[in-house]
Amino acid sequence: GIQVEQSPPDLILQEGANSTLRCNFSDSVNNLQWFHQNPWGQLINLFYIPSGTKQNGRLSATTVATERYSLLYISSSQTTDSGVYFCAVESNYGQNFVFGPGTRLSVLP
Amino acid sequence: DTAVSQTPKYLVTQMGNDKSIKCEQNLGHDTMYWYKQDSKKFLKIMFSYNNKELIINETVPNRFSPKSPDKAHLNLHINSLELGDSAVYFCASSLGPTSPLHFGNGTRLTVT
Repeated sequence: GIQVEQSPPDLILQEGANSTLRCNFSDSVNNLQWFHQNPWGQLINLFYIPSGTKQNGRLSATTVATERYSLLYISSSQTTDSGVYFCAVESNYGQNFVFGPGTRLSVLP
Repeated sequence: DTAVSQTPKYLVTQMGNDKSIKCEQNLGHDTMYWYKQDSKKFLKIMFSYNNKELIINETVPNRFSPKSPDKAHLNLHINSLELGDSAVYFCASSLGPTSPLHFGNGTRLTVT
């Protein structure tokens, strides 16, 4: 089945810093989403982005499907951005969503 | 106006018991899912249901059985609970393939 990798596994930032999280996947996909799991365990849908670029406030995401990767940009980070960021993909073969291992982000005041 | 709701939020029980987790969505979605998140935060799909038909069942023990009384509900029933079943279980829904997933807030199951 499709493999999903995320990097870095852990990231510590000072408040106000910018960061880039990466998601690599091993096969063609027809669906890709980024999620934020906050410290209370809730999974929040950030972007549905099988291709192209989207922006939502301080967050933006880019997926280059032909090169099998997606990037999540966080600008001017805030302590509320802390948590785990997951990339999830659905292959063209309808495998259902497969999640990456996540990037654990800690933003320090 | 909760979109995907699961109950209970916490469930503590002893080995060998049978328990159920309920899930309801009011988004009008056609497909519902159950995911398991282990202690290392890995999320893995367990089941998905499309229009009350099971369309995928990953390598999950048959002690776990999804039950869907209607399109808006997908409950998870677990028989003969084991210590290794302790995890957070998430319900999710979507319009179908190539559509975004929407998650419930999770149920933390602890088996003692």
